[in-house]
Amino acid sequence: QVQLVESGGGVVQPGRSLRLSCAASGFTFSDYGMFWVRQAPGKGLEWVAVIWFDGSNQYYADSVKGRFTISRDNSKNTLYLQMNSLRTEDTATYYCAREFWSGPYGMDVWGQGTTVTVSS
Amino acid sequence: QTVVTQEPAFSVSPGGTVTLTCALSSGSVSSSDYPSWYQQTPGQAPRTLIYNTKSRSSGVPDRFSGSILGNKAALTITGAQADDESDYYCVLYMGSGIWVFGGGTKVTVL
Repeated sequence: QVQLVESGGGVVQPGRSLRLSCAASGFTFSDYGMFWVRQAPGKGLEWVAVIWFDGSNQYYADSVKGRFTISRDNSKNTLYLQMNSLRTEDTATYYCAREFWSGPYGMDVWGQGTTVTVSS
Repeated sequence: QTVVTQEPAFSVSPGGTVTLTCALSSGSVSSSDYPSWYQQTPGQAPRTLIYNTKSRSSGVPDRFSGSILGNKAALTITGAQADDESDYYCVLYMGSGIWVFGGGTKVTVL
């Protein structure tokens, strides 16, 4: 079955870096665009970044632009989010999600999330 | 900066109908914004309900329907059930790879 499993979350100090991973299985990973979406404690969902199926294009929310980098390794069926210069406001559960194959239709399948806490 | 607005909360009786909306600060929502809708219960990952305005995701019951109502995207729950009590989010595609979520609507069934 289609599955996305995030990992790499944890507690990190402000200004430090962290890399999240999302392992995909049950589908042809290289056919799909992929998202990162986050949710701060008690808050709503926030789109973070998207990457095209072949990694040729990436787009970011203004809140993370210049600090976060989305990437993928299609040979390993894995999506990444490199997070640098972390701030306390980056504290959230981070979800990876598959994009609908047939168009810019949003998030199709979601992982269970990994929690990032930025605190001194 | 584009803001997507949803009602903060709604209450619906079991078996009743409720319509949630998703509005755009910069103007009208249309099908070209590809609105989609997600359901989330506390502690769980979101679940996709509706995409491309009105297409139901796999396994989603037909009591959930999407549409454009006036100048907003809308999610209607017809015949609400107790397990529909959740937070509901819309997201709109702004073009150029940019997506914006609404703030979410908390639906209570009582």
